Amino acid sequence: AQSVAQPEDQVNVAEGNPLTVKCTYSVSGNPYLFWYVQYPNRGLQFLLKYITGDNLVKGSYGFEAEFNKSQTSFHLKKPSALVSDSALYFCAVRDMDTNAGKSTFGDGTTLTVKP
Amino acid sequence: EAGVAQSPRYKIIEKRQSVAFWCNPISGHATLYWYQQILGQGPKLLIQFQNNGVVDDSQLPKDRFSAERLKGVDSTLKIQPAKLEDSAVYLCASSLAGYNSPLHFGNGTRLTVT
Repeated sequence: AQSVAQPEDQVNVAEGNPLTVKCTYSVSGNPYLFWYVQYPNRGLQFLLKYITGDNLVKGSYGFEAEFNKSQTSFHLKKPSALVSDSALYFCAVRDMDTNAGKSTFGDGTTLTVKP
Repeated sequence: EAGVAQSPRYKIIEKRQSVAFWCNPISGHATLYWYQQILGQGPKLLIQFQNNGVVDDSQLPKDRFSAERLKGVDSTLKIQPAKLEDSAVYLCASSLAGYNSPLHFGNGTRLTVT
């Protein structure tokens, strides 16, 4: 069975500092990996994805993520955090080879950026 | 483009009552999903449609939950009878066909069962 772990329930950073939100995954085949962001009382919004190719992918709002196959990780990063980045972030995985493209989500990490 | 539309936004019912949620996906999106998101947890897939056929409903509690996708477009999710543990946000999402396509989510329906 595929799974996603987000080991930190909460990440706190100061505005202007770099941020990292961690994600590790488990699939039997090759993974498609996604990050989504959820603002209060809103649905999830797509940020970025890794399908194949360059291990460093860039997405919306200056976010990027690094795919590491040996560590089965896909950490979300941003060089300089903004207060407006404060939100709930979800990592998701799809197995390219099985499970009919089912997306499995982690339990989320709340990012708080303080001025 | 118009996003995924869901209604209602909020619903409060008593246990053992029934409730229905409606979803209109983004035009042209072949795949439609219903997720349940319990407070403090990530979304959990209930059912996935490809056009009007069911691809995955392995985690749908079929004794009380049902879903249909009429003519491969709109979808409804029904709970009958509701239990206290069904209190959650129900999210509808759609995507283009293909596993590399991201999901586009609606704003969800917050269900409270008392």
